[in-house]
Amino acid sequence: GAVVSQHPSRVICKSGTSVKIECRSLDFQATTMFWYRQFPKQSLMLMATSNEGSKATYEQGVEKDKFLINHASLTLSTLTVTSAHPEDSSFYICSAPLGSLHTEAFFGQGTRLTVV
Amino acid sequence: GENVEQHPSTLSVQEGDSAVIKCTYSDSASNYFPWYKQELGKGPQLIIDIRSNVGEKKDQRIAVTLNKTAKHFSLHITETQPEDSAVYFCAAITRMDSSYKLIFGSGTRLLVRP
Repeated sequence: GAVVSQHPSRVICKSGTSVKIECRSLDFQATTMFWYRQFPKQSLMLMATSNEGSKATYEQGVEKDKFLINHASLTLSTLTVTSAHPEDSSFYICSAPLGSLHTEAFFGQGTRLTVV
Repeated sequence: GENVEQHPSTLSVQEGDSAVIKCTYSDSASNYFPWYKQELGKGPQLIIDIRSNVGEKKDQRIAVTLNKTAKHFSLHITETQPEDSAVYFCAAITRMDSSYKLIFGSGTRLLVRP
C-alpha cells in the first residue's frame, strides 16, 4: 500500500524552542496533506489542511502562528511548532490522500512531542 | 457539519469470538467510510473502507456494513486473535467546497483475551 513517512517519531525539546516535523509521501504525490493532534486515549483532531503551493487551511481554534505549515513540494509537508510549551506536548500525525477520488487517507507513524 | 458517533468505547472479547463496532453519522452527503486500526504509539492504519454505493464489503476476517437510510455503519471482526487488540476508529468524509476532510469517531479500545 501507499506509504507516508513521518519524522521524527519522538522528540523532546525545551520550552521556548521550535520543533519541525516532516511528512513525506514516499511513492505517490500529494497535493493535500492533513495534520492531526491526538491526546492520550482520545480521537484524532484535525488541525489543518496543507496545500501544495498555497497557504494551509487551519481548523477553528488552531493558532496559525503557533503551528506553521509548509507544503513546498508534492511529497513533503512540514509542521513547525513554534515557541513550544509543555501544553503543546502531544502526538502529532500527518496523513495524505490517495486514489482517484482522493479519499483513501494513509497516515504517518506519528510524532510524540514532549516539551520540558 | 458532519458528526460521527462510535460505540462501544471499550470492548473485551474472548479469542475466537466476534467483535462488532458501530458508528453513526449525521451528514447524508457523506459517501466514504473508512475504518482505522491504531496500535499504541503508532499512526492509524487503514484496514477496510466502504463507499455509499455498496452495502457490505468483506476482507478475510473483517467486514463492514453500511445502512445509508439509517446513517450507520459497522465493523465486524470474526475469529478474533490477540493481535487484533488495538484502538479502532471509524470515520466519514465530509466535503467543504472543493476540499474534504475526515471526521473521526471517538474510538473503540478492543481487547482480545487469549
